[in-house]
Amino acid sequence: AQSVTQLDSQVPVFEEAPVELRCNYSSSVSVYLFWYVQYPNQGLQLLLKYLSGSTLVKGINGFEAEFNKSQTSFHLRKPSVHISDTAEYFCAVSEYSSGTYKYIFGTGTRLKVLA
Amino acid sequence: DTGVSQDPRHKITKRGQNVTFRCDPISEHNRLYWYRQTLGQGPEFLTYFQNEAQLEKSRLLSDRFSAERPKGSFSTLEIQRTEQGDSAMYLCASSSGQATNEKLFFGSGTQLSVL
Repeated sequence: AQSVTQLDSQVPVFEEAPVELRCNYSSSVSVYLFWYVQYPNQGLQLLLKYLSGSTLVKGINGFEAEFNKSQTSFHLRKPSVHISDTAEYFCAVSEYSSGTYKYIFGTGTRLKVLA
Repeated sequence: DTGVSQDPRHKITKRGQNVTFRCDPISEHNRLYWYRQTLGQGPEFLTYFQNEAQLEKSRLLSDRFSAERPKGSFSTLEIQRTEQGDSAMYLCASSSGQATNEKLFFGSGTQLSVL
C-alpha cells in the first residue's frame, strides 16, 4: 500500500533563510508526487507536481522540489522564505490502481517563518 | 471559474443527529473527491466520484456515511447518527483530465463539531 511520510510536523525558520521540508513515500507502482499548501482558513492549493522528466520541479512562490527515486523522496525547498510563506504544507502521492485514482496525503508540516 | 464551494462552512450538531454537507465542484470537472481532515493530520481519502458513479469508498467511510452525486454535478455527504469522533473538517475537491496527473482543486471545507 502506498504511504507518505512527512518527517517534521513543525519547522520554524527565520525570514530570508532557506528551508527544506522533507517527504518520503512508498508505493508498489509508479506514482505522481505533489506538494500542496494550506494557508490559514483557506483550502489546499497546488504548489508543484512531479509527473515525469526532470527530477527538479519548480512551483509557485519560489518553491522547488526534487524527486529522488532511489531514496523515494520528494523534498520541498525554498532558498529564502518570507513571512507570507507561513502555512501548512502537505506532500501527496497519486496512484492509479484498480481503475481509480487515489491521492494519499502526508500528515503535513507547519512552516512558521519568524521575523 | 468560481472554484469549489462547500456549504455550510461550519456545522455544530448534537451527537446522534444527522448532518448533510454539499459540495459544488468546478463546473467542467468530472471527478469529485471527499476527504476528512482532523487537527494535525493530512486529508484522509473518503470517497471518489467520476461523473455520477461512486468508484471507490475508503474503509474510513462507515455505514453511517453516504455520499451521492446524482447528476454528476454537485455532491452531498450525509452522516447519520453523528458521533463525537466524526468532528473534523470535511473537504471536497474536484479535478478533470484524462490521467492521474491532474491537480485537485479544493474547497474551503465544512468544519463539523459534534457535541
